[in-house]
Amino acid sequence: GDSVTQMEGPVTLSEEAFLTINCTYTATGYPSLFWYVQYPGEGLQLLLKATKADDKGSNKGFEATYRKETTSFHLEKGSVQVSDSAVYFCALSDRNQGGKLIFGQGTELSVKP
Amino acid sequence: GAGVSQSPSNKVTEKGKDVELRCDPISGHTALYWYRQSLGQGLEFLIYFQGNSAPDKSGLPSDRFSAERTGGSVSTLTIQRTQQEDSAVYLCASSFGLETEAFFGQGTRLTVV
Repeated sequence: GDSVTQMEGPVTLSEEAFLTINCTYTATGYPSLFWYVQYPGEGLQLLLKATKADDKGSNKGFEATYRKETTSFHLEKGSVQVSDSAVYFCALSDRNQGGKLIFGQGTELSVKP
Repeated sequence: GAGVSQSPSNKVTEKGKDVELRCDPISGHTALYWYRQSLGQGLEFLIYFQGNSAPDKSGLPSDRFSAERTGGSVSTLTIQRTQQEDSAVYLCASSFGLETEAFFGQGTRLTVV
């Protein structure tokens, strides 16, 4: 079945460092890809998404590009802030499966001042 | 309401008891999803509703778990004869349709003692 694998955490960075969180997927169809974020004490929020190959999703300085050839959707940010400390989840959704989300295991990011 | 509302926010129950978890989706959202977030298993899909019907129940872990949705709105997830391994955060999400953004509630933290 479909699955998502993302790099394990926790990841600890200093403020203004470059961030990459790797995400790869396995899917039989043509899924949409997502990054969700869970800030401490808050619910899951959509960070960005891409619905087809070569699409780039972006939001709040974060970017991810849907790479069909490498089945990847890596999350990047050029300069992280303390407020970016959260757990990040990569996910896919296949319309033919009702739009349910299949999540990676999550990566905890801690940014130190 | 403004967002997806789940109740209770916390529930402690004795092993063997039945529990009901409630989800109020965003008004007008036809799709409703239940997920479970636990330390060992990450974020797992349980069931989704399109209107009042549940086309995909494949994620329900056992026949002790059931869910219903009435009036195309409120959904209840019921766990019978709870076990310690049922302890987790149960998340509900809703969306306008299969390819639109899913909005998550804050979750119900279930602890079985």
